[in-house]
Amino acid sequence: EAQVTQNPRYLITVTGKKLTVTCSQNMNHEYMSWYRQDPGLGLRQIYYSMNVEVTDKGDVPEGYKVSRKEKRNFPLILESPSPNQTSLYFCASSSPERSYEQYFGPGTRLTVT
Amino acid sequence: AQKVTQAQTEISVVEKEDVTLDCVYETRDTTYYLFWYKQPPSGELVFLIRRNSFDEQNEISGRYSWNFQKSTSSFNFTITASQVVDSAVYFCALSGRTDSWGKLQFGAGTQVVVTP
Repeated sequence: EAQVTQNPRYLITVTGKKLTVTCSQNMNHEYMSWYRQDPGLGLRQIYYSMNVEVTDKGDVPEGYKVSRKEKRNFPLILESPSPNQTSLYFCASSSPERSYEQYFGPGTRLTVT
Repeated sequence: AQKVTQAQTEISVVEKEDVTLDCVYETRDTTYYLFWYKQPPSGELVFLIRRNSFDEQNEISGRYSWNFQKSTSSFNFTITASQVVDSAVYFCALSGRTDSWGKLQFGAGTQVVVTP
């Protein structure tokens, strides 16, 4: 089954404690992205990757890091989380063969206290 | 930069009424893709439809239909004979070469509430 998986699905943490949210896709897609969703703001892109070792900033990259060492994986790293990073996070993948339709993971709800 | 505007924040209807969601976009690209996604209360994002900028043919798929007009930069979406299960947030989104094909620019979303 074609899918994008994210872990963990829910996470409560404290300010400053480094965390990683994993994302993996099994469709051999070139593009992968991270979005955050906040009430009234829709989804905003944090980072995206066009292929292995190629990443670029989205609209709201501050406070986040990413890496793309393998085509299937695109982890999101918060080195020092802060309460304003409390949000719902989505990972997505896409490919030119599917007209860049983005396949989304189930979401990770992060709370930073 | 690309921009997507969904002016309606919430629409409430009674079951079996039609619902039309408005979407207006801005882009400098001549080739781009437009999408509608649905987010039910469970939270996942569900792909509904995709249109490329060269295809202005409007279609109907079951109870869904869309109206793409390049002249007014609009990509409206209609649910016919709404059902309670249609209650969700609906997002319009745009992808183009200028920002990157890997990026979707989303609108703020429209909450649809369908009551029995």
